[in-house]
Amino acid sequence: NFMLTQPHSVSESPGKTVTISCTRSSGSIANNYVQWYQQRPGSAPTTMIYEDNQRPSGVPDRFSGSVDSSSNSASLTISGLKTEDEADYYCQSYDYSNLWVFGGGTHLTVL
Amino acid sequence: EVQLLESGGGLVQPGGSLRLSCTASGFSFDSYAMSWVRQAPGKGLEWVSSLSRSADYSYYVDSVRGRFTVSRDNSKNTLYLQMNSLRVEDTALYYCAKDRRGSYPGLVDYWGQGTLVTVSS
Repeated sequence: NFMLTQPHSVSESPGKTVTISCTRSSGSIANNYVQWYQQRPGSAPTTMIYEDNQRPSGVPDRFSGSVDSSSNSASLTISGLKTEDEADYYCQSYDYSNLWVFGGGTHLTVL
Repeated sequence: EVQLLESGGGLVQPGGSLRLSCTASGFSFDSYAMSWVRQAPGKGLEWVSSLSRSADYSYYVDSVRGRFTVSRDNSKNTLYLQMNSLRVEDTALYYCAKDRRGSYPGLVDYWGQGTLVTVSS
């Protein structure tokens, strides 16, 4: 199976834009949809992006997702950063056997 | 409003068994695939198992295949995870997750709050 690699942590200032990457180790990133989940401390995850770039209702349009086949990676971009965006972010995909893979998670610090 | 309420967690000795339940409300339970995802203390998310809406297809991570069994009772809007031969490394918060699809699960849209399983002697 493949792995999804994320940076361990990122930090940025309020109002700025940050991008979190998620690189697939084998097979094309475009083969299967990528999802992104936010997990605030002490809380359950919530879905921020599904099917590479779709936002569930209620998720601010400051959050966007994309896929880049040239780097075989997906990205989550958060613009207009707010302190409430400080959380762990996980990417997730699956293979053709419907076995899921999560990235290791990225801790976002907004300072 | 979609709600997923997990129960059944607790302290169990290595080699023991537990059955987790996830009671769903606020949506047509029998139309969607469901999954279990776990998180060991201080660690990241790990997918455990998924089950299609009609329970005709089930999927497991290698580390639990043969020890865990996922099932559902659509008449009771409930998802189950029977966990046997538990190991210390199964210690985690277990989340129930609703999928956007009925078959071929892989897109979670709602998560429960989790139930804690501790395997220790």
